[in-house]
Amino acid sequence: EAGVTQFPSHSVIEKGQTVTLRCDPISGHDNLYWYRRVMGKEIKFLLHFVKESKQDESGMPNNRFLAERTGGTYSTLKVQPAELEDSGVYFCASSQGGGLGGYTFGSGTRLTVV
Amino acid sequence: DAKTTQPPSMDCAEGRAANLPCNHSTISGNEYVYWYRQIHSQGPQYIIHGLKNNETNEMASLIITEDRKSSTLILPHATLRDTAVYYCIVRVALRGSQGNLIFGKGTKLSVKP
Repeated sequence: EAGVTQFPSHSVIEKGQTVTLRCDPISGHDNLYWYRRVMGKEIKFLLHFVKESKQDESGMPNNRFLAERTGGTYSTLKVQPAELEDSGVYFCASSQGGGLGGYTFGSGTRLTVV
Repeated sequence: DAKTTQPPSMDCAEGRAANLPCNHSTISGNEYVYWYRQIHSQGPQYIIHGLKNNETNEMASLIITEDRKSSTLILPHATLRDTAVYYCIVRVALRGSQGNLIFGKGTKLSVKP
């Protein structure tokens, strides 16, 4: 089966611009998660979708971040406007059910804000 | 904050067993122990999980102490491709539960020829 796909793999934008990251989960996985690692820090949870609904968005850093999952398939994470501290690697993961058998992560999108 | 403690780094000779320890002294009765790893520039990869019994799959074995306060991940025959950061994570795993994995700093395992 195809894994979790993230696009783009790299993005370099200027401070103040907008960037949209996309995640395609494994087909049939209702649960979709976003995580990120900013420079020198640990991987942190951002939010969790069950189908198209936000189950937990407690990790979203501020209102410059907007995640959507229309139709319960792929998800987008928009950063608007981007700030320097948003630089890092953004990971998406998906799972069946509550993830008892573990999550499958994508390779991530490396975002650099200059 | 992560609820686990791991050594920051370990070395292992290629072909030998790698034993990665993890302390989780505050683990609750309904929390599982999960192990993930992150190979450079890739996303985290699920390895194995367990509640209280020892577990084995094609990648590794997980040994959990009887009091569940610590565990050891065993890679039986480490290869150079096993060089990665290994994360020990405890979490409640219920059907439909929230999916917040708390990653700590992990253990950087270096497998040497």
